[in-house]
Amino acid sequence: AQRVTQPEKLLSVFKGAPVELKCNYSYSGSPELFWYVQYSRQRLQLLLRHISRESIKGFTADLNKGETFFHLKKPFAQEEDSAMYYCEGSIYNQGGKLIFGQGTELSVKP
Amino acid sequence: NAGVTQTPKFQVLKTGQSMTLQCAQDMNHNSMYWYRQDPGMGLRLIYYSASEGTTDKGEVPNGYNVSRLNKREFSLRLESAAPSQTSVYFCASSEGWDEQFFGPGTRLTVL
Repeated sequence: AQRVTQPEKLLSVFKGAPVELKCNYSYSGSPELFWYVQYSRQRLQLLLRHISRESIKGFTADLNKGETFFHLKKPFAQEEDSAMYYCEGSIYNQGGKLIFGQGTELSVKP
Repeated sequence: NAGVTQTPKFQVLKTGQSMTLQCAQDMNHNSMYWYRQDPGMGLRLIYYSASEGTTDKGEVPNGYNVSRLNKREFSLRLESAAPSQTSVYFCASSEGWDEQFFGPGTRLTVL
């Protein structure tokens, strides 16, 4: 079965510490993977997509097809990074294969 | 551009009542989606529409119906609301299966 799993509901770190939000996936095909972020009282917005291989707000995420994970990383967390983070997988040309993980709440303490 | 808009922002219903959540996008996207967001469950796809005139079930379609009225609008209807449908509902749109743009959400409480 297609699955996207974020094993941590809550991740709490201190400002300046490294952050890694985990995303494991199980797909029969080759999914496109995305990270979305939802800041308090704001709508969800795209943070990263794996095909662009870019760094946004200091975050990076590399797709590891062998291990099937797409973890989100940042070397030095900032308080403004506190938010809900969702990993999402989708497969082109396969309707309905849009799956979000359960979400991880990141709390960055001063 | 307003992006994706949803109405209403908040709604309280009694069990058995019906209502329609409205969604509109002005980005000329073909694909539109309805999700529900529950604590610990993440976002779950209710229905989606890959193009005008087509709709398909997602992960949790029971108790809901949808209408893709035109390219811009995609509505979600609860025919007989139940307490289990208390949730935050998000509409989104995208071009194909690319980045999704989300609306602000509708917070629904069913008593």
